[in-house]
Amino acid sequence: EAQVTQNPRYLITVTGKKLTVTCSQNMNHEYMSWYRQDPGLGLRQIYYSMNVEVTDKGDVPEGYKVSRKEKRNFPLILESPSPNQTSLYFCASSFRGGAGYNEQFFGPGTRLTVL
Amino acid sequence: GESVGLHLPTLSVQEGDNSIINCAYSNSASDYFIWYKQESGKGPQFIIDIRSNMDKRQGQRVTVLLNKTVKHLSLQIAATQPGDSAVYFCAENYGGATNKLIFGTGTLLAVQP
Repeated sequence: EAQVTQNPRYLITVTGKKLTVTCSQNMNHEYMSWYRQDPGLGLRQIYYSMNVEVTDKGDVPEGYKVSRKEKRNFPLILESPSPNQTSLYFCASSFRGGAGYNEQFFGPGTRLTVL
Repeated sequence: GESVGLHLPTLSVQEGDNSIINCAYSNSASDYFIWYKQESGKGPQFIIDIRSNMDKRQGQRVTVLLNKTVKHLSLQIAATQPGDSAVYFCAENYGGATNKLIFGTGTLLAVQP
């Protein structure tokens, strides 16, 4: 089954404790992206990756890191989480990035709470 | 997610009625517009898209209308069913060198049996 998977689905942590949220897709997609979703604000892009070893900032990158060492995986790293990073996080992928629209497929989400 | 529906405008309809969900977009240069459906506890799911050179596109039970003059997008759902209850987001594709999507804040559709 073609899908985007995220782990963990739920996480409660404390301020300053480094964490990683994994994202994996099995569709051989070039483009991957991370969003956060907050009430009243919709989805906002954190980072995106056009292909392996190619990443760039989205609209709200502060406090986050990403890496793209393999095509299928795009982990989101919070080196020192803070309470304002409490949010619902979604990973998405599409066949490619670049000019023109490509449908993005979303993972099931990761609910993160930072105390 | 469980808190996605908070603080959202809500459209309440009776089962079997037609629903119209509206969205205003921001960038006149966006080349694609997309509607997503998000059910509780799940990620956004693609419903339908429309290219900027079109003003109407129909799918199964859904129609998207695009009015570029006033930068307005609407999603019409025919014969709304309880399974249509969800948060609906419009998104615009900014185009350019990336596949960037800008999302609206969403509308909660509540279908009453």
